[in-house]
Amino acid sequence: DAGVTQSPTHLIKTRGQQVTLRCSPKSGHDTVSWYQQALGQGPQFIFQYYEEEERQRGNFPDRFSGHQFPNYSSELNVNALLLGDSALYLCASSPTRQGRSGTGELFFGEGSRLTVL
Amino acid sequence: GDSVTQMEGPVTLSEEAFLTINCTYTATGYPSLFWYVQYPGEGLQLLLKATKADDKGSNKGFEATYRKETTSFHLEKGSVQVSDSAVYFCARPEGQGFSFIFGKGTRLLVKP
Repeated sequence: DAGVTQSPTHLIKTRGQQVTLRCSPKSGHDTVSWYQQALGQGPQFIFQYYEEEERQRGNFPDRFSGHQFPNYSSELNVNALLLGDSALYLCASSPTRQGRSGTGELFFGEGSRLTVL
Repeated sequence: GDSVTQMEGPVTLSEEAFLTINCTYTATGYPSLFWYVQYPGEGLQLLLKATKADDKGSNKGFEATYRKETTSFHLEKGSVQVSDSAVYFCARPEGQGFSFIFGKGTRLLVKP
């Protein structure tokens, strides 16, 4: 049973460029959340997707956008990259009921490490 | 607003030492509480959780008790191993539970 998979694992971009990160949730999960983990910090919630719609959003600018596909996979897009966007981007999936009740666990991928020069 | 506060690391211990990592939270009501662990080069994985006050979560020799009186969920292990070296995050759901708030993480280094 494959867990949460993310791609690419590492990438380097320059300021002003755009990036797309991809995530496939764990089998049987239909809810996908994205988190940003800066160096030495805990993950911060970006947004969550369920039924192909953004259901909740954290305190991130509109440069951060996402998409969920019918097969539940998801993309995170960041436009006009800034140096401060350098971080590990984590995708987490959960079954709907647990993900929306706050009592279930999140299943994380290994992350995509983005470096902005 | 809601928050989670962890003790800062790094915490360096010798093998078989006793471990405590402090975690306190702010909340209205009694949210579920979680400890996640991040091993080098990996994503986060759930270590243990407690869903109501006075519950004790346990896994792999780690324990944490949900104490509403002190709004705390401290992580403990009686005898750490080198393989326990990792970053530990305390977390709780936010609002209706769609998202989670994580502490800043505590890095544990266990030396043989």
